[in-house]
Amino acid sequence: DAGVTQSPTHLIKTRGQHVTLRCSPISGHKSVSWYQQVLGQGPQFIFQYYEKEERGRGNFPDRFSARQFPNYSSELNVNALLLGDSALYLCASSLVGQGTYNEQFFGPGTRLTVL
Amino acid sequence: AQTVTQSQPEMSVQEAETVTLSCTYDTSESDYYLFWYKQPPSRQMILVIRQEAYKQQNATENRFSVNFQKAAKSFSLKISDSQLGDAAMYFCALRMIKAAGNKLTFGGGTRVLVKP
Repeated sequence: DAGVTQSPTHLIKTRGQHVTLRCSPISGHKSVSWYQQVLGQGPQFIFQYYEKEERGRGNFPDRFSARQFPNYSSELNVNALLLGDSALYLCASSLVGQGTYNEQFFGPGTRLTVL
Repeated sequence: AQTVTQSQPEMSVQEAETVTLSCTYDTSESDYYLFWYKQPPSRQMILVIRQEAYKQQNATENRFSVNFQKAAKSFSLKISDSQLGDAAMYFCALRMIKAAGNKLTFGGGTRVLVKP
């Protein structure tokens, strides 16, 4: 079975531009979470979507937005890119979105570089 | 708010020997999960081991075991019989059980180097 997939693998943008990152969860998983991992740091939680509704938001500006589609895939959008947005963006999927333990499976990430 | 701290930026271990990674955390809640994740150079985050806070028994997965000290809010990872494939970044993470959603709070990571 395919794991969590993310596209693109790498992306280079310039300041002020907009970017869209995509994530396809494992088949049957209904929850998708997004994390930002700046080089040399641990991942920081950005968003979680479960059953197409936002279930959690981290401490990120409104330039960051996301959505989940009927097939449970997800997009992360970042507007007005800043140099500080350069990071590895990780997507994680799980069967459900809260409550008792359900493992989160991570994708390989999208490396975003803002010049 | 929850915080996770990993005080060792890098640890080096000889192949076949044992290394212990430290993690401390802070939360006001009593119900949570703790995790250790491994991130090799390929970047894919892989779950190594998890511990439920309500369980007193320390979790074990093959060569990986934890020392969970709830009162001290400490959660260390021991890697026994280290192998070259264990070389990676290791992240400690915390997740609340009762909170809406399944947000993970990560520490800053510890790089493990394995010497042949």
